[in-house]
Amino acid sequence: DAGVTQSPTHLIKTRGQQVTLRCSPKSGHDTVSWYQQALGQGPQFIFQYYEEEERQRGNFPDRFSGHQFPNYSSELNVNALLLGDSALYLCASSFRITNEKLFFGSGTQLSVL
Amino acid sequence: GIQVEQSPPDLILQEGANSTLRCNFSDSVNNLQWFHQNPWGQLINLFYIPSGTKQNGRLSATTVATERYSLLYISSSQTTDSGVYFCACPETSYGKLTFGQGTILTVHP
Repeated sequence: DAGVTQSPTHLIKTRGQQVTLRCSPKSGHDTVSWYQQALGQGPQFIFQYYEEEERQRGNFPDRFSGHQFPNYSSELNVNALLLGDSALYLCASSFRITNEKLFFGSGTQLSVL
Repeated sequence: GIQVEQSPPDLILQEGANSTLRCNFSDSVNNLQWFHQNPWGQLINLFYIPSGTKQNGRLSATTVATERYSLLYISSSQTTDSGVYFCACPETSYGKLTFGQGTILTVHP
C-alpha cells in the first residue's frame, strides 16, 4: 500500500521563477491538502482539494495555486518566487473532506536564491 | 482562529527516561492529532484522539476536550524517539489543521 508520495524531494530556484510540486495521495484517499513549513515552525495550511476543486484556503497570496486531477493527485504551483517562499512543502491526504486522520508525504524542500 | 500551544519547547532525555508533552488549545475541537517529525522531515501520525486515552506501544495520549488540553506520554525513551512532536487541531469541520510550534525532543544514549 503506497503512502503519500511527493516529487521532487529537493528544488532550487531563483527569485521570480515559477515552481510546480506534485503529490500522489495514499491509496484510497481522495482529499489532498498542502502545508508550508518554515524552518523551526509548525506546518501552515495552504489549501485543500476535493473533487478537483479548492475547498479551503489558508492565508496565502494568489501566487500560490493548485490543481487536483481525476486520479486525486495534486499539484502546487508558486509564481514569482520570493526568498521567503523557501520552506518544506508538505502534502497530506485523507478520505473525504472531513477531519479524518491525516497522512503526510516526505515533503519537497524548496530553496529560493 | 484556533490557538495551539505546546510545552515544553525543548526536552533533553537520557535513553530509558519517561516524558510528558502537553498541548493546549483555545477552542472546542472535535479531534486532535499528534505527529512525530523525524530528522528527515517525515511527519508520522501518532494518534488521532478527539477524547479519552489511546496507547500504541511505549506511547500513549490523553485528550481532555472539556479542559482543552492533550498530553503525549513517552515511556522508556529510545534514541529513535528524537525529533519534533506536533499536536494539531482542526479549525473547521473539514480538515484544515492548525499546528502548534512543536516540542523538540532529544534522546541521548
